[in-house]
Amino acid sequence: NAGVTQTPKFRILKIGQSMTLQCAQDMNHNYMYWYRQDPGMGLKLIYYSVGAGITDKGEVPNGYNVSRSTTEDFPLRLELAAPSQTSVYFCASSYSDRHNEKLFFGSGTQLSVL
Amino acid sequence: RKEVEQDPGPFNVPEGATVAFNCTYSNSASQSFFWYRQDCRKEPKLLMSVYSSGNEDGRFTAQLNRASQYISLLIRDSKLSDSATYLCVVHSGGSNYKLTFGKGTLLTVNP
Repeated sequence: NAGVTQTPKFRILKIGQSMTLQCAQDMNHNYMYWYRQDPGMGLKLIYYSVGAGITDKGEVPNGYNVSRSTTEDFPLRLELAAPSQTSVYFCASSYSDRHNEKLFFGSGTQLSVL
Repeated sequence: RKEVEQDPGPFNVPEGATVAFNCTYSNSASQSFFWYRQDCRKEPKLLMSVYSSGNEDGRFTAQLNRASQYISLLIRDSKLSDSATYLCVVHSGGSNYKLTFGKGTLLTVNP
């Protein structure tokens, strides 16, 4: 049981390049999330999904896209990388969206856009 | 008032000290409250949920004051391994998933 797995751990992009951050969970969780964490700031929700085929915008979705074709996978796509997207990205999952539900996080992807 | 605001820190304390963190939230309709711990360059991990009656887990005690809209975390007998950033997290409820994370308070426990 690996939990939430994110790849890659580190990546440097040039402005305008595109990439996909991968996220997979093996806990059969319906709910998955993408957050970004800027230095000295709280985590901000980019996108979330309540199940396969269903995604919705979070607080800071501009510049990103997601898909959820299976319960296990929730990739985050950056189409035209910008310096403002330099951040640490965390994928997370939960069994439900009950207000007291625990989040399980992946180990993060540190992305630099130069 | 910011949605979730924490003590800015950093806190530097000696081993064995007692340290307390405070967190305030702006949405009076918030339903659930949590403390997450985040080690340097690592992912956040749930430390404890915060219940209305207050709750304790070993050396850690969490309190909720709904009237004043603040949450606290008390760590007794600090250990070197407690050094981390502590994130206050509030669930505002509603149909859309809504967790708000504080910026975190950095704690360093010194030998």
